[in-house]
Amino acid sequence: AQKVTQAQTEISVVEKEDVTLDCVYETRDTTYYLFWYKQPPSGELVFLIRRNSFDEQNEISGRYSWNFQKSTSSFNFTITASQVVDSAVYFCALSEARASGTYKYIFGTGTRLKVLA
Amino acid sequence: EPEVTQTPSHQVTQMGQEVILRCVPISNHLYFYWYRQILGQKVEFLVSFYNNEISEKSEIFDDQFSVERPDGSNFTLKIRSTKLEDSAMYFCATFWDSLSQETQYFGPGTRLLVL
Repeated sequence: AQKVTQAQTEISVVEKEDVTLDCVYETRDTTYYLFWYKQPPSGELVFLIRRNSFDEQNEISGRYSWNFQKSTSSFNFTITASQVVDSAVYFCALSEARASGTYKYIFGTGTRLKVLA
Repeated sequence: EPEVTQTPSHQVTQMGQEVILRCVPISNHLYFYWYRQILGQKVEFLVSFYNNEISEKSEIFDDQFSVERPDGSNFTLKIRSTKLEDSAMYFCATFWDSLSQETQYFGPGTRLLVL
């Protein structure tokens, strides 16, 4: 069965510290997609990144970077030099093809990040 | 950039009342989804909809729930007789097709409060 685990419920850091949010997933599929979403206090889901199972290259976007390791089924997210505006709940999600042809998302339980000034 | 819109943004209703949550998908998207997030919890899949029928539904999506695309544009989620535990944020998501496997685009959500 598919599963996404975000073991860190809440993390607090001081501004300018680096922080890594962990995501471990389980799937039997060879083709799947992994995502990170940010949910600020206003509640919307902000898309951050999509990674497919065949692309293990790490990605960097500004202060954000992602480390995908199939060997450990992990897709971790690092924020460098954190800022107060990074405070939010971050969700990791897994998408697999279904027999119906659709791709439902399985979300982790989220990690609440608090960046203190 | 095109976006998914949802109305209303907030709804308060009495237990037992029917509610309809509306979503306007990105045009030319073919797959539609509803997700639910109870306060402080994770986002959970409710139902997927393609070609005017339900493709898959979760165990949460019982007989009290229904979806339709009545006019070819809006995509609606109806809860027939709301319960207290239906209080949650409801997200609509739309998606291009299974071959391109593009990211699902989420709407801003409807926050439903059942009293």
